[in-house]
Amino acid sequence: QKEVEQNSGPLSVPEGAIASLNCTYSDRGSQSFFWYRQYSGKSPELIMSIYSNGDKEDGRFTAQLNKASQYVSLLIRDSQPSDSATYLCAVKGDSNYQLIWGAGTKLIIKP
Amino acid sequence: DAGITQSPRHKVTETGTPVTLRCHQTENHRYMYWYRQDPGHGLRLIHYSYGVKDTDKGEVSDGYSVSRSKTEDFLLTLESATSSQTSVYFCAISVASDTQYFGPGTRLTVL
Repeated sequence: QKEVEQNSGPLSVPEGAIASLNCTYSDRGSQSFFWYRQYSGKSPELIMSIYSNGDKEDGRFTAQLNKASQYVSLLIRDSQPSDSATYLCAVKGDSNYQLIWGAGTKLIIKP
Repeated sequence: DAGITQSPRHKVTETGTPVTLRCHQTENHRYMYWYRQDPGHGLRLIHYSYGVKDTDKGEVSDGYSVSRSKTEDFLLTLESATSSQTSVYFCAISVASDTQYFGPGTRLTVL
């Protein structure tokens, strides 16, 4: 059973600080990794995708991938109260176009 | 905006009644998915489709059936609703490189 693990939180971070969200996965052959943000009562929305080892930056968001250690992380710089949400990690599984989902980490940014 | 709509957005029904949820996309993407989301479980795949009349089961398919007679529509049917099927249901489509985009969701309550 392929799995994606995330700490459920809540993770509380002061406004302006860096929020660090982590995700581990069990399938060493995984190639595609995604971070989604989900506000309460809303649908998940894609923040970033990453496919290669290293860092990928997009504005205040940085995704980090380490395939040897089988983890992917998301850093949010200069955290804002509007970043308060649940963050979902997803990893491409065996079958074409299927994703395996973590249960999500709830992030709270305190003003 | 991936042009995904779901209907109805909210539904309350009684145990034992049939229920059909509709997902409609405007951009002719090949892959479509139905998920359910419950507290503590994250997103769980019910069924997915890889083309007209081509569907397959996900991890929680018992009690659900799907149909796709047109590229743009993917229907999820609960043949005889049970209280355990009370959940939020999301439809998603795949765009390039496995990325999935979600519809707004349907909140289903089975009394």
